[in-house]
Amino acid sequence: GAVVSQHPSRVICKSGTSVKIECRSLDFQATTMFWYRQFPKQSLMLMATSNEGSKATYEQGVEKDKFLINHASLTLSTLTVTSAHPEDSSFYICSASWGATEQFFGPGTRLTVL
Amino acid sequence: AQTVTQSQPEMSVQEAETVTLSCTYDTSESDYYLFWYKQPPSRQMILVIRQEAYKQQNATENRFSVNFQKAAKSFSLKISDSQLGDAAMYFCAYLVGNQFYFGTGTSLTVIP
Repeated sequence: GAVVSQHPSRVICKSGTSVKIECRSLDFQATTMFWYRQFPKQSLMLMATSNEGSKATYEQGVEKDKFLINHASLTLSTLTVTSAHPEDSSFYICSASWGATEQFFGPGTRLTVL
Repeated sequence: AQTVTQSQPEMSVQEAETVTLSCTYDTSESDYYLFWYKQPPSRQMILVIRQEAYKQQNATENRFSVNFQKAAKSFSLKISDSQLGDAAMYFCAYLVGNQFYFGTGTSLTVIP
């Protein structure tokens, strides 16, 4: 149980375009979902926390207008990178939880902006 | 501020031997959880072991065990009988109030 999926696993886009990444909890209802960014050989950096039906809470330094997060249901959260630029290229990981004792991680999405 | 420190960026171990990865954390909370995650080249985060702070007994999962020293705020991971498949990046993490704080990671190499 507690499986989280992400789609797509890899995406390549042109500079200036927008990209949407989906995060789904497949066998549980996630009251909270989290989005992380990971640069090569570095740790996970929390970008934002989203609760179903409410606005996401962004970490300091994360542009909310650039990284749009929607948590429309208890099983789906989306991250949209708007007007992507090469510096947005990274590995994006989501996680989901239903309580405060554990999070379940998705397999990640590798974004490359040309 | 909550911080998690992994002082060993890289470690190596001979296959079948034992290795210990260190982790310290800083917190003023009394109720929290500690985790070790493994991230292989696939980048999928895999839970290795978890410890509730209120439990004095050290957690164990097969070849993986922890040495949890609450007063010292230390949470080391011991891998016994190391296998080639254990090679990965290992992250120590601290969870409080539904928010994770990750260490910077230790890259473990297993030498055949």
